[in-house]
Amino acid sequence: AQSVTQLDSQVPVFEEAPVELRCNYSSSVSVYLFWYVQYPNQGLQLLLKYLSGSTLVKGINGFEAEFNKSQTSFHLRKPSVHISDTAEYFCAVTPSSGGSNYKLTFGKGTLLTVNP
Amino acid sequence: DTEVTQTPKHLVMGMTNKKSLKCEQHMGHRAMYWYKQKAKKPPELMFVYSYEKLSINESVPSRFSPECPNSSLLNLHLHALQPEDSALYLCASSQGFREGYEQYFGPGTRLTVT
Repeated sequence: AQSVTQLDSQVPVFEEAPVELRCNYSSSVSVYLFWYVQYPNQGLQLLLKYLSGSTLVKGINGFEAEFNKSQTSFHLRKPSVHISDTAEYFCAVTPSSGGSNYKLTFGKGTLLTVNP
Repeated sequence: DTEVTQTPKHLVMGMTNKKSLKCEQHMGHRAMYWYKQKAKKPPELMFVYSYEKLSINESVPSRFSPECPNSSLLNLHLHALQPEDSALYLCASSQGFREGYEQYFGPGTRLTVT
C-alpha cells in the first residue's frame, strides 16, 4: 500500500514570491508521482507527473517538481507565484508495476493562498 | 480534446428521490472513474470501469449504482441518499487502468441531499 503526506495544509505567500509545496510518500513498490491542482469550484487538473528519467519535471503554469528517491519526496516549486495560483494542490502516487491495483493515492492537499 | 464533461453542475435532491449523474469523454479512454470529494478533503475513489466493465467498487453503499453504457459514457444512479452523501462528485477518465496513465477530471457535480 502507498501513503502520501503533504506536510503543510496551508501555505500563504505574497505575489511574485517563490513557493515550495512539500510532498513525501511511502511505498513498498516503485511508484509514479503526480501533482494535481484544484481551483475553487472546479475539478482537478494535472500539473505534472514523474514516471521515469530526469528527476526534475516541468509542468504547466511554470511549476516544476523534483523526485528524490532516497528521501521519498516529490516537492512542487514555482519561482514566482501569481494571484491566479491560489488553489488546492494535491500530490498523488500510483504503483508503477507489479500488480493490478493502479489506484491513485492522494495526499490531504495543500491550500496555496497568494496575497497581493 | 481533453475534456471530461459532467451534468448537472448542481443537484439538490430529497432523501426519497432518484436521480442520475452523467459523465462523458471523447478521448477514446478505456477507463472511467467516479470519485466523491468532501470539502477540504482529497477525492475518494468510488468506482472504476475498465473496458466498460466494473473493475473496482470501493465498498460503496448500494444507494449508489454506477453504469457504463458505452466507452464514452458513465452514469451514477442515486437513490435514497442520506444528507452525509452531500459532496462534489467527480468523474475522471484515463487511457487505461494501468500504470502511468494520467487521469483527466471533469468539473464535478455538486450534490446536496436534503
